Amino acid sequence: NAGVMQNPRHLVRRRGQEARLRCSPMKGHSHVYWYRQLPEEGLKFMVYLQKENIIDESGMPKERFSAEFPKEGPSILRIQQVVRGDSAAYFCASSPPGQTLAKNIQYFGAGTRLSVL
Amino acid sequence: RKEVEQDPGPFNVPEGATVAFNCTYSNSASQSFFWYRQDCRKEPKLLMSVYSSGNEDGRFTAQLNRASQYISLLIRDSKLSDSATYLCAVNGMNSGGYQKVTFGTGTKLQVIP
Repeated sequence: NAGVMQNPRHLVRRRGQEARLRCSPMKGHSHVYWYRQLPEEGLKFMVYLQKENIIDESGMPKERFSAEFPKEGPSILRIQQVVRGDSAAYFCASSPPGQTLAKNIQYFGAGTRLSVL
Repeated sequence: RKEVEQDPGPFNVPEGATVAFNCTYSNSASQSFFWYRQDCRKEPKLLMSVYSSGNEDGRFTAQLNRASQYISLLIRDSKLSDSATYLCAVNGMNSGGYQKVTFGTGTKLQVIP
């Protein structure tokens, strides 16, 4: 049973380009979460998605960032017109459906490290 | 006040020492609590869940104090391999009625030979 798969592991973009980060959840998991981590800082929640639905995007910047989790295929975090401040590690986590509030365990992918030149 | 707060450290301790970290949370309705371990430039990995009055797993003990709204992680007989950042995570309901896990910024532990 493969874990949460993220690709690419490293992504280099020039200012103004677009970045697309992909996340395939663990088999059987239908909940996906995206987090951003700046160097020497903690995990910042960005967005929580279920298949074809954005559940909570309270942590997403209002502009340039979008996320989707289509019926088929991986979840995509898209950053348009990247700026140097977008350089960070972006982690995806997944959890299975039906977890109670007391047992909402998230499993993390290895992350994508975005560098904006 | 931050939803989840941790002392960033670093905690520098000698091998064999006992070390404890605390994590405070602001939402009294929080339901579940976790400790994750994150190695440098790696993803967080679940270390322990803390469901009620606490639990123990080998050298690691996690405690929950609901009255004071904090959780703790105790590591006994520290090993060099315990060097990492320890993140606490708190699960509760957000204003939209959905579960939301909030992470602390982590406490860095360095075990010294």
